[in-house]
Amino acid sequence: GNSVTQMEGPVTLSEEAFLTINCTYTATGYPSLFWYVQYPGEGLQLLLKATKADDKGSNKGFEATYRKETTSFHLEKGSVQVSDSAVYFCALSDAGKSTFGDGTTLTVKP
Amino acid sequence: DAGITQSPRHKVTETGTPVTLRCHQTENHRYMYWYRQDPGHGLRLIHYSYGVKDTDKGEVSDGYSVSRSKTEDFLLTLESATSSQTSVYFCAISESAGTDTQYFGPGTRLTVL
Repeated sequence: GNSVTQMEGPVTLSEEAFLTINCTYTATGYPSLFWYVQYPGEGLQLLLKATKADDKGSNKGFEATYRKETTSFHLEKGSVQVSDSAVYFCALSDAGKSTFGDGTTLTVKP
Repeated sequence: DAGITQSPRHKVTETGTPVTLRCHQTENHRYMYWYRQDPGHGLRLIHYSYGVKDTDKGEVSDGYSVSRSKTEDFLLTLESATSSQTSVYFCAISESAGTDTQYFGPGTRLTVL
């Protein structure tokens, strides 16, 4: 079956630091890949997505590139802010069903 | 924001009682999903629906049933709640399967004593 493995947390960074959260996947088909973000007390919301190999998704300074050769979709941001503190989920969608990673908690300190 | 509401938002119940959670959408999306979120497990799919009266099981469907009699409503029922079903439940919708983004409701926190 499909699976998503993402970097274990929690991750604590200082403001303006560089962020990488690793995500790798296993899928039988040709999935679409997503990063969702969850703020305290809320549901998940889409951060960015990529639907085919070599696509780059980007939003709010975050980026991730769909790497089929390494089955990866790592999330990066060049300079994090305190407001980026949240839980980040990597996910794939294949044949109509989604599979989520366990989530990575990011805390950014001023 | 996608128009998705969940009710109730919080519920405390006792083991053995039936519980029904409601998800309501105003987006006319075809697909609706129920997930549970537990520490260390991410989100796990319970059931999903691909149309009125069309539903299918997810990876953790035991002990849960669903119904969808209207496009806008998707009900999740715990026939006889157990403590292992204490969790946060999220409803999600999408316009189509596959490449489409899922839009999530605010969640229902259920505690089974």
